[in-house]
Amino acid sequence: QVQLKESGPGLVQPSQTLSLTCTVSGFSLTSNSVSWVRQPPGKGLEWMGAIWSGGSTDYNSALKSRLSISRDTSKSQVFLKMNSLQTEDTAIYFCTRLWYLDYFDYWGQGVMVTVSS
Amino acid sequence: NIVMTQSPKSMSISVGDRVTMNCKASQNVYNNIAWYQQKPGQSPKLLIYYASNRYNGVPDRFTGSGYGTDFTLTINSVQAEDAAFYYCQRIYNSPFTFGSGTKLEIK
Repeated sequence: QVQLKESGPGLVQPSQTLSLTCTVSGFSLTSNSVSWVRQPPGKGLEWMGAIWSGGSTDYNSALKSRLSISRDTSKSQVFLKMNSLQTEDTAIYFCTRLWYLDYFDYWGQGVMVTVSS
Repeated sequence: NIVMTQSPKSMSISVGDRVTMNCKASQNVYNNIAWYQQKPGQSPKLLIYYASNRYNGVPDRFTGSGYGTDFTLTINSVQAEDAAFYYCQRIYNSPFTFGSGTKLEIK
């Protein structure tokens, strides 16, 4: 069955770089796209970016200068790197499968990232 | 960029009532809207896609409608388990912007 699971450090210091991994199973990254979505505590959802099945990427313009999404298809993993972290980047980070361009049908459980010294 | 505005921000409804919540896009998005339900501590779950298509396994008391800039999610005969946040999202074209959400409480 389709599964996504996020992993990464729970605490990052301000100005440092966040690195997260999304490990997927039950589908191929060469046939499906994956997005990252984040949610600050008590707030709404923010689409961050996507890596398409062909390997190209697309980013939220508000994050584009700090964000990079990549993948390793052999390991069924998608990576998120975001630099210059600030306290406002504290959030739950989700990876989710984008079914073609239609909808986000499967989501990981999310990983909480706190930016603090 | 397209802005998705949801209203109301919160609502309190009794079990068995009908509830309607709204999502307004700042530009024409045709029928390219999805709705998600998120309960505390959980990931969002897809309810509706392309404005009116119910996703697999979603109860038929959930109905989506609308086209262009104005969209509605209706829940007929609300159940206690429907207490959650509901988000609309633009789909089909990036950025896949979410609305700010509507909180549904059950009295």
